[in-house]
Amino acid sequence: NAGVMQNPRHLVRRRGQEARLRCSPMKGHSHVYWYRQLPEEGLKFMVYLQKENIIDESGMPKERFSAEFPKEGPSILRIQQVVRGDSAAYFCASSPPKGWATEAFFGQGTRLTVV
Amino acid sequence: AQSVTQPDIHITVSEGASLELRCNYSYGATPYLFWYVQSPGQGLQLLLKYFSGDTLVQGIKGFEAEFKRSQSSFNLRKPSVHWSDAAEYFCAVGAGNDMRFGAGTRLTVKP
Repeated sequence: NAGVMQNPRHLVRRRGQEARLRCSPMKGHSHVYWYRQLPEEGLKFMVYLQKENIIDESGMPKERFSAEFPKEGPSILRIQQVVRGDSAAYFCASSPPKGWATEAFFGQGTRLTVV
Repeated sequence: AQSVTQPDIHITVSEGASLELRCNYSYGATPYLFWYVQSPGQGLQLLLKYFSGDTLVQGIKGFEAEFKRSQSSFNLRKPSVHWSDAAEYFCAVGAGNDMRFGAGTRLTVKP
């Protein structure tokens, strides 16, 4: 049973480009969470999704950021027109339907660098 | 609003010494409590969790944590630190599908 898979592990984008971060949850997990980790800071919640449904996006910036979790395929976090301040590590976690009450597993993260 | 505070940004201990990492939370009800460890360039690994019952929780790698409701704390402890324990440690609190993390405590282990 493979763990939560995130790709790419490292992503470099020039300012103004788009960044696409992928997260494949563990088998049997239907909930996905995205977090952002800035240097010297903890993990900040961004969005919580179930398949084909955004449950809570209260942590998502209002512009340029979007997330989806389609019926088939990985969850995608999309950042349009990236800026230097978007440079961070982005972590995905997945859990079964009972959510954190059981256990959520984290991927190894995608480290985005905007140059 | 719920929040998690890890008062110590950076802690240095000698190998073999004991360790305590502090975590305080603010939450409407008794939340679920977690400690995660993150090695450089890696994801987060769950050390232990508290949902209910015995307030002293045993985790992996020799770690334990104690939930103290009166102090709203969930401190992580280890009796004897190993060099491989050097990492970043995160306390997290949650209920349902809401999970919040502290800013982390970086642990340095001196030989």
